[in-house]
Amino acid sequence: KNQVEQSPQSLIILEGKNCTLQCNYTVSPFSNLRWYKQDTGRGPVSLTIMTFSENTKSNGRYTATLDADTKQSSLHITASQLSDSASYICVVSVEYGNKLVFGAGTILRVKS
Amino acid sequence: NAGVTQTPKFQVLKTGQSMTLQCAQDMNHEYMSWYRQDPGMGLRLIHYSVGAGITDQGEVPNGYNVSRSTTEDFPLRLLSAAPSQTSVYFCASSYSGSRVGEQYFGPGTRLTVT
Repeated sequence: KNQVEQSPQSLIILEGKNCTLQCNYTVSPFSNLRWYKQDTGRGPVSLTIMTFSENTKSNGRYTATLDADTKQSSLHITASQLSDSASYICVVSVEYGNKLVFGAGTILRVKS
Repeated sequence: NAGVTQTPKFQVLKTGQSMTLQCAQDMNHEYMSWYRQDPGMGLRLIHYSVGAGITDQGEVPNGYNVSRSTTEDFPLRLLSAAPSQTSVYFCASSYSGSRVGEQYFGPGTRLTVT
């Protein structure tokens, strides 16, 4: 069964600190992996999309990594800001059939 | 570009009532989809469309209908609302192809069925 699991479920960090969010997937055949940021009361917004051949991709203070062999991805946030408080969702695209598999998300709260 | 727009933003229905959630995009995207988001769960696909006149079922289609008469619009109809349909609904669009491209989400419709 195609699944995406994220950890931790929630996380609280102090402003300025770094953090790493994890994503494990059992999706086949794999097409690409995406990370989305969802602010409270808003729709998800794309942060990165990585294909099978990409190991690392950055978007400002966000850096995503992908290990296709172990089927793991991580999202690293550097020098966190209060505006980083949101839910971060890992999504894996299946190669055929216009299908995306969503993780339940990690809720990040950045405190001052 | 307005991107993806959804109306209404909030809606309360009584059990058995019907209604249509509206979704429109102005990016000329071929692929459009509807998701529901429930607490503690990932977004689940209800229906999707790869172009005008073409729709297909997603993971949780029961109780919902869709149609795609134009590229821009993709309404979602609740036939007879049930409390289990209380959720936040998101519409999304992307360029089509054999794989789903980068998706752009609307702001969501929060639906409560009493």
